[in-house]
Amino acid sequence: AQSVSQHNHHVILSEAASLELGCNYSYGGTVNLFWYVQYPGQHLQLLLKYFSGDPLVKGIKGFEAEFIKSKFSFNLRKPSVQWSDTAEYFCAVSTNAGKSTFGDGTTLTVKP
Amino acid sequence: EAQVTQNPRYLITVTGKKLTVTCSQNMNHEYMSWYRQDPGLGLRQIYYSMNVEVTDKGDVPEGYKVSRKEKRNFPLILESPSPNQTSLYFCASRKPGLAGAVNEQFFGPGTRLTVL
Repeated sequence: AQSVSQHNHHVILSEAASLELGCNYSYGGTVNLFWYVQYPGQHLQLLLKYFSGDPLVKGIKGFEAEFIKSKFSFNLRKPSVQWSDTAEYFCAVSTNAGKSTFGDGTTLTVKP
Repeated sequence: EAQVTQNPRYLITVTGKKLTVTCSQNMNHEYMSWYRQDPGLGLRQIYYSMNVEVTDKGDVPEGYKVSRKEKRNFPLILESPSPNQTSLYFCASRKPGLAGAVNEQFFGPGTRLTVL
């Protein structure tokens, strides 16, 4: 069975602060990892994803994530957050058979 | 415009009254899924479908049914809704990947269901 654990449920930062959201996963097969973001009142949308290759993945809006296989982690980072990054962030693992498991989500509030 | 649409967007109903939430995508995606989102629990997969007439249970399938008679549509059916099915529901679709890779999912706008 696959599982995803997000460590921070609610994070509050000031603008320009650095961000790191933790994500650990459990899955025995080929790993496909994702970070999705849900801005207030909007659809979930993809931030970035990892399947293979360079373990440091760059996504939209200055976000990046690092896959560390030995730690089963896929943490999301951004060097300097903006007020517009206020949103809910979800880490997910998916299989090519169609099954997807999401973490509980992290609500990020950025104070202007 | 490429999109996933859901109807209705909001629904208030009563216990036991059968309902269907429709989902349609115009991207010719093979994979479709239904999720429910509850505070503190993230998104949990209800059912998914790899193609027409192929469906499988996700993590929380109890109390739900789905069908996939056409590629573009994937309705979610609650035959006898109960208050614990009050939730925000999302439909999603994606293309199949190659060689073990999984493509991103595209999500609909959500359906907020209240069962009294």
